[in-house]
This record gives sequence, C-alpha cells and structure tokens, in this order.
Amino acid sequence: KAGVTQTPRYLIKTRGQQVTLSCSPISGHRSVSWYQQTPGQGLQFLFEYFSETQRNKGNFPGRFSGRQFSNSRSEMNVSTLELGDSALYLCASSLAGGAGGYTFGSGTRLTVV
Amino acid sequence: DAKTTQPPSMDCAEGRAANLPCNHSTISGNEYVYWYRQIHSQGPQYIIHGLKNNETNEMASLIITEDRKSSTLILPHATLRDTAVYYCIVSLGGKLIFGQGTELSVKP
Repeated sequence: KAGVTQTPRYLIKTRGQQVTLSCSPISGHRSVSWYQQTPGQGLQFLFEYFSETQRNKGNFPGRFSGRQFSNSRSEMNVSTLELGDSALYLCASSLAGGAGGYTFGSGTRLTVV
Repeated sequence: DAKTTQPPSMDCAEGRAANLPCNHSTISGNEYVYWYRQIHSQGPQYIIHGLKNNETNEMASLIITEDRKSSTLILPHATLRDTAVYYCIVSLGGKLIFGQGTELSVKP
C-alpha cells in the first residue's frame, strides 16, 4: 500500500515569506501529526489532527498552523518565515491517535534564506 | 521534555543481538512504550510498541519490566542496515515526544 506522501520534498524560501506543506496519509488513516526536526532541537511535535479537528498542539508560535481536510489530507502553514524555521518537517499518520504506531513520510526539507 | 532516558550510543557486532535499554520511571498506567528508529534523516520508522506484556514482531522484541519503569528493545540478529538512531517514547498516542535516542552502530 502507498505510504505517507509529503510534498514538496525540498523548498527554499526567503525570510518573511510564508509556506504551505502538504501531507497525504495512508488510505484509511484518520490521524495526522506534524513534527519539526533540526540538528539543535531534534524531533519536536507540532500538532495532531483527527477527523479535521486539532487534538494536540506542541509548543510552537502561532506562525505555525495546520488543517486537515475531509479526506484526511493535511497541510501545515508557516507564516513570516525566520531563518530558524529551516528544518526537516515530517508528517505521520495512524489509524486513530497512534493505535498500531505512526507511519512517517520522508519529510519536506525547508531552507529559509 | 522527553519522559525517557537512553544511552547516547551503542555498538553491536553484525549478527549478534542488539539490546537497547530505556528508562521511563514516570510512565503512567495507560501510556504505551513505542520504539522508532531513524536512518540518516529519513522519516522515523515504527518498530514496535507495548503496554505491559512483552511483544515480538518480525523486526524486534520488546521486553517491559513488571513495574513498567524500563524496557529493552532487542534486535535478534543485527545487520549493518540496522545502524540508526533508536528512539524510545512513552505516549498515550496522538503526541510523540522524542528524546535524543540511542545511536546504534552495527559493525562488521
């Protein structure tokens, strides 16, 4: 079966711009969560969506937002980009909040210049 | 903050069992223990999870102590492709808090 698909794989943006990343979960998975990975902070939880509702949120500023559509696909948006937002952004999906484990995508590598 | 403690690095000889320990002394009664691994900036890969009982799948075995304050991930016959960072996480699901993990190096 198809895995978790994240697009785009690589992205270069300028400070102050905004960016939207996309995640298509495994078919039938209704829970989608997002993580940021940087060399200094490691893997950090951003937020989790289930049935179009945000259920959990990490400790990130309001510039980071997300949403989930009725087909479970999810997007995350970062506004007013800062250099420190350069990171690997990972999306993970599961049947329902972690039951059976999360399947991660390959990530989107965002570089802010 | 992560609720688990793992050694930062370990070595293992190819073909031998790799035993990766994890302490989670503050685990609550309904939190699961999850293990994931990450190979060179790919997305983390789910390995196994458990609540109280020991678990085994095609990849690994998970041994959880009776008091649930620690666990051990066992890769029975490590190969070079098992070289990765291994993360032990306790969670109710929905939110995974990653620590620094254990960098496992499998050597020929």
